[in-house]
Parts: sequence; structure tokens; C-alpha cells
Amino acid sequence: AQSVTQPDIHITVSEGASLELRCNYSYGATPYLFWYVQSPGQGLQLLLKYFSGDTLVQGIKGFEAEFKRSQSSFNLRKPSVHWSDAAEYFCAVGAGDYGGSQGNLIFGKGTKLSVKP
Amino acid sequence: DAGVTQSPTHLIKTRGQQVTLRCSPKSGHDTVSWYQQALGQGPQFIFQYYEEEERQRGNFPDRFSGHQFPNYSSELNVNALLLGDSALYLCASVLGSGYEQYFGPGTRLTVT
Repeated sequence: AQSVTQPDIHITVSEGASLELRCNYSYGATPYLFWYVQSPGQGLQLLLKYFSGDTLVQGIKGFEAEFKRSQSSFNLRKPSVHWSDAAEYFCAVGAGDYGGSQGNLIFGKGTKLSVKP
Repeated sequence: DAGVTQSPTHLIKTRGQQVTLRCSPKSGHDTVSWYQQALGQGPQFIFQYYEEEERQRGNFPDRFSGHQFPNYSSELNVNALLLGDSALYLCASVLGSGYEQYFGPGTRLTVT
């Protein structure tokens, strides 16, 4: 069965420090992978996506992620965290292929990021 | 360019009641998906509507039903509410066979 695992429930980093959020997936075919961010009381904003090609993808707000097929991972990174990055981060895999579209997304349980001043 | 909008923002219902949540997709999008996000969890796929028909459905009981209108807006209906239905309900839209789903701010449903 398709699944997404985010091993870290809560991470705290100092402002200016680097960040890596882990994501492992289980999916039979070539995955379509996404990272979303959710601020308190808000919906989900797409940070970046991987469909094919270059395994290092760049997103908004200075985030990047690397797809590693051998490790079934899609970890999110940022070289220098800002206080405004404090939020919850969700990794997701596109599933249920319907005519080429990713009909639905399977999400991990999320990682809450806190930033120390 | 208006994004995905949802109404109402918050809703409080009693067990056994019925509720209707509404979603307007991003301009130009014709496909709407609904997700349930329980507290401390990631969103779970409920169903997706395209061309006014349910195209895919997740593992949710028949108490959850939906509708899509000719203008692509959508409703989510939940009958016989249970305490466990308390959650943030998210709507997402996409254009046809596109891959990037855009999410609305959600409706917070509390069942007492």
C-alpha cells in the first residue's frame, strides 16, 4: 500500500541554522512527490514538487528537496532558517493515477518546525 | 486571481446532524478534491469531482457525499455526524489532469 512516513514529529532549530526534514515513501511506480507547508489555521501551500528529471528540485522560500530512489526518500532542506519558517510541513505522494492526473495525494503526518531566536 | 475559497470558516454541529461545506475552485480549475485533516494528522483524501461526477473516492463511509456544480464549485455533505468527524476539511482544486493541487484555507468542523 502507498504510504508516506515523516519520522520527526517536532523539530526545533535556531534561526540561521540549516534544516533537513525527512520523508520516506512507499509507492510501486514512479512517484510524484510534494512538500506542503501549513501555518496555524491555514490551508496548505505547495513548496515544491518532483515529477521526473533532475533529482534536486528547488522550491519557493529558499527550500529544496532531493529525490533518492534507492532510499525511497524525498528530504526537504533549507540552508538558513528564518523565524517565519515556523510551521507544519507535510510530505505527500501522488497516487491513484487517473488518466495521467494524480487524483489524490497521500500525506505523511507532518513535522512541526519551531525556530529559536 | 482568486485562489480556492471555502465557507464557512468554522462550524459547530451536534452529533446526528447533517452539515454542508462549500468550495469554490481556483479560477480556471475544473477538478475539486476534498480532504479531512484530523488534529495532529495529515490530510486524508475523501473524494474528487470532475465534470460533476465523483471520479475517485478514498476510504470514507457513504455518510460523506458530494456534489459539483456546472461552475465547478463543490459541496461536501456529511450526514449523521459523529464526534470523530471533528476536523479541518480542506478543498483542493486542479485543472483537469494537472498535478499541482491548490488548497483552500479549510473549514473547521466541531461536532459536540
